[in-house]
Amino acid sequence: DTGVSQNPRHKITKRGQNVTFRCDPISEHNRLYWYRQTLGQGPEFLTYFQNEAQLEKSRLLSDRFSAERPKGSFSTLEIQRTEQGDSAMYLCASNGQVTYNEQFFGPGTRLTVL
Amino acid sequence: DQQVKQNSPSLSVQEGRISILNCDYTNSMFDYFLWYKKYPAEGPTFLISISSIKDKNEDGRFTVFLNKSAKHLSLHIVPSQPGDSAVYFCAASANQGNMLTFGGGTRLMVKP
Repeated sequence: DTGVSQNPRHKITKRGQNVTFRCDPISEHNRLYWYRQTLGQGPEFLTYFQNEAQLEKSRLLSDRFSAERPKGSFSTLEIQRTEQGDSAMYLCASNGQVTYNEQFFGPGTRLTVL
Repeated sequence: DQQVKQNSPSLSVQEGRISILNCDYTNSMFDYFLWYKKYPAEGPTFLISISSIKDKNEDGRFTVFLNKSAKHLSLHIVPSQPGDSAVYFCAASANQGNMLTFGGGTRLMVKP
């Protein structure tokens, strides 16, 4: 069990470009969550999947954001037409093997939009 | 509307003493509470949790207390060690966990 992994760890992009992040959850975890964390704040929920189904989306997830989990394993989060306000740490978490209470986080992808 | 609040942005304690981190919540639907520890450039690491049917949960040096009537929980670390220096986040969930709602964090510094 290697834990939740996220790629890339860092991404610098210019405003208006599209970016895509990947999350690989802990094996056999059927729930996968995306959060965003800005400086000095706690993580904020974006969306979550149970297997391949996207079950909940936050109002923070504007129409420029889309997330997929096509085969119920890894997930991608795409941001189209990035804005400077999108600069943040994007965190992925998973759970479900034993309990749905504790969530286990990856190291995050830090996005900087210039 | 912040549903989970950590009112102390930072806390400094001496090695060996007790660290007490506090958290308040407003949503009475929350039924599960968690503490996470976060080092710079890493994701949050799960530390300890408590269900709303309990008022105390202990794991080694870490104890979480829940006061439902006051909508308040606290994390006690005894004895504090320099390696405990990190940002601690309180989080809450409702109905067997879908989303976690986090507080803003408290930076703990344990001085040798």
